[in-house]
Amino acid sequence: DIQLIQSPSSVSASVGDRVTITCRASQVISSWLAWYQQKPGKAPKLLIFAVSSLQSGVPSRFSGSGSGTDFTLTISSLQPEDFATYYCQQANNFPSFGGGTKIEIK
Amino acid sequence: EVQLVQSGAEVKKPGESLKISCKGSGFSFTGYWIAWVRQMPGKGLEWMGIIDPRDSDSRYSPSFQGQVTISADKSISTAYLQWNSLKASDTAMYFCARSYDSSALDYWGQGTLVTVSS
Repeated sequence: DIQLIQSPSSVSASVGDRVTITCRASQVISSWLAWYQQKPGKAPKLLIFAVSSLQSGVPSRFSGSGSGTDFTLTISSLQPEDFATYYCQQANNFPSFGGGTKIEIK
Repeated sequence: EVQLVQSGAEVKKPGESLKISCKGSGFSFTGYWIAWVRQMPGKGLEWMGIIDPRDSDSRYSPSFQGQVTISADKSISTAYLQWNSLKASDTAMYFCARSYDSSALDYWGQGTLVTVSS
């Protein structure tokens, strides 16, 4: 099984900050990586698919990059509605999710 | 409008059986895979398995193989997640979601909370 390790597990940030979340895979996963946002009590929402493709309707302040085993999600200027938990997900082998990164208000 | 509408919350006793549902609308149900994802209280997301409603080809995460059954009825655009004998550790929120190519999940159901307690 492919393991996905996200870091940090939580981060405190302020509105306007640039935030970067890392997702490291236990083996090469090519381009089958996605990122999701989840708010408390809600279903996850797809933000990025295929490493760097922005899902329709998602603000351009979200971006994804990476290759091989190391991937990042960047929020260029954090907005109040971005405080949530973020998950990476791979589908190279049987799909799996990372452990999550919670962005909290500083 | 694309929608996945899941069945309501369930409270069951250990050892009981359960089948929850996920009804799709606003898209061609047989054109997408339907996945099931578990979220235990206060924890992260876990991929359970996925089904192609065209032919009911289903694939399970090793952690869930033999523990649950995923099925679908394409005639009513509905996918199911079933347990034969629930355990307290099955207490969780369960989400269904669709995928065009069994990779990223672009639309999600609202979730079904399953509580198993004696």
